[in-house]
Amino acid sequence: QQQVKQSPQSLIVQKGGISIINCAYENTAFDYFPWYQQFPGKGPALLIAIRPDVSEKKEGRFTISFNKSAKQFSLHIMDSQPGDSATYFCAAEGRRGANNLFFGTGTRLTVIP
Amino acid sequence: NAGVTQTPKFQVLKTGQSMTLQCAQDMNHNSMYWYRQDPGMGLRLIYYSASEGTTDKGEVPNGYNVSRLNKREFSLRLESAAPSQTSVYFCASRPWGGSNQPQHFGDGTRLSIL
Repeated sequence: QQQVKQSPQSLIVQKGGISIINCAYENTAFDYFPWYQQFPGKGPALLIAIRPDVSEKKEGRFTISFNKSAKQFSLHIMDSQPGDSATYFCAAEGRRGANNLFFGTGTRLTVIP
Repeated sequence: NAGVTQTPKFQVLKTGQSMTLQCAQDMNHNSMYWYRQDPGMGLRLIYYSASEGTTDKGEVPNGYNVSRLNKREFSLRLESAAPSQTSVYFCASRPWGGSNQPQHFGDGTRLSIL
């Protein structure tokens, strides 16, 4: 059973537009929510992360919005650029143990010039 | 900064053949992980090693074995390859298992089983 559900599977956005990717979880033990970015032929790399004690975290054009009561979180990419074209994975992790990181199924973002 | 290095980058095997995927990290990390990535399924954990000397099964361990050779190296072995194991395999590491520590990934091994 998928611990973290991610949508959409693919997304096409015009340059300068806003890209929005959504994720949802059920396990209330999760307390760390990272987003990974993956370019073709490369491994995923951490983009931005949030803990549930805040509702929003912004780093440059990337913002995570977090709704603890709904158990949902989302990634917003403002002023999307062709260089943002990549696959994005949300993830969730619990507090204990070496193996508590669960990934969503990924969103392939294409930004059209 | 090499980070996490995986070898080989590409491999084609015939059904029933065996092979070992190699992974090494130079960041002095304690925890290491093996994932497979398939279209529409995201990253699924095969095996992990919380620290040198320990290994544990992840979500999809069947058909695989691992060895934590030392603190730097964590290998994944396919004893008798099957077409269902065609995938992209990623190795990752992080300082310790637990919250707030990102995993650092290698660039993957693309494996095709005919």
